Amino acid sequence: ILNVEQSPQSLHVQEGDSTNFTCSFPSSNFYALHWYRWETAKSPEALFVMTLNGDEKKKGRISATLNTKEGYSYLYIKGSQPEDSATYLCAFSGAGSYQLTFGKGTKLSVIP
Amino acid sequence: GAGVSQSPRYKVTKRGQDVALRCDPISGHVSLYWYRQALGQGPEFLTYFNYEAQQDKSGLPNDRFSAERPEGSISTLTIQRTEQRDSAMYRCASTLTSGKGEQYFGPGTRLTVT
Repeated sequence: ILNVEQSPQSLHVQEGDSTNFTCSFPSSNFYALHWYRWETAKSPEALFVMTLNGDEKKKGRISATLNTKEGYSYLYIKGSQPEDSATYLCAFSGAGSYQLTFGKGTKLSVIP
Repeated sequence: GAGVSQSPRYKVTKRGQDVALRCDPISGHVSLYWYRQALGQGPEFLTYFNYEAQQDKSGLPNDRFSAERPEGSISTLTIQRTEQRDSAMYRCASTLTSGKGEQYFGPGTRLTVT
């Protein structure tokens, strides 16, 4: 059983604050790490798919880094806005498998 | 269609009945996944199709669960003799190419077994 852990489980920040959270995953047999944004009552929406150690991806105020040797990825949100409130899910994909193993997510609430 | 669609969106059924959940992926998407999502949890893999071939069904919990994608497009997840523990959100997702890319999720079917 693959272990994909996300921390913290939930987070409350003030509008304008920057924040980050962590996804840890197995460092062996790595293929890709996915980040998804999920608003309750909607479908998860892909943010990033990262495959290379040291990779850094950015989409607007959201960015992510990847360390495959130590098995972690950080998601950063700069200048949080209320519309950033959502659950952020990471998912691990191993070499030779089509499965995505999801973490339980970090629920972000941005207080206006 | 613009995105992945699923039907029905909500299904309430009595214990012991069979249910069939439908997924219509984005047109042209090669791969299709089924997931089950419990409240407050991330999606849990059930099965994967590449075109019409079911290439991984290791996540199906038991033999009451089956899935098919006969023409490589629409897929059906069938649960026979439903039990209360089957109650969950069932989501499908599709990817443009085989296997590994960004997944596009459908809105899910909320199944409640009474």
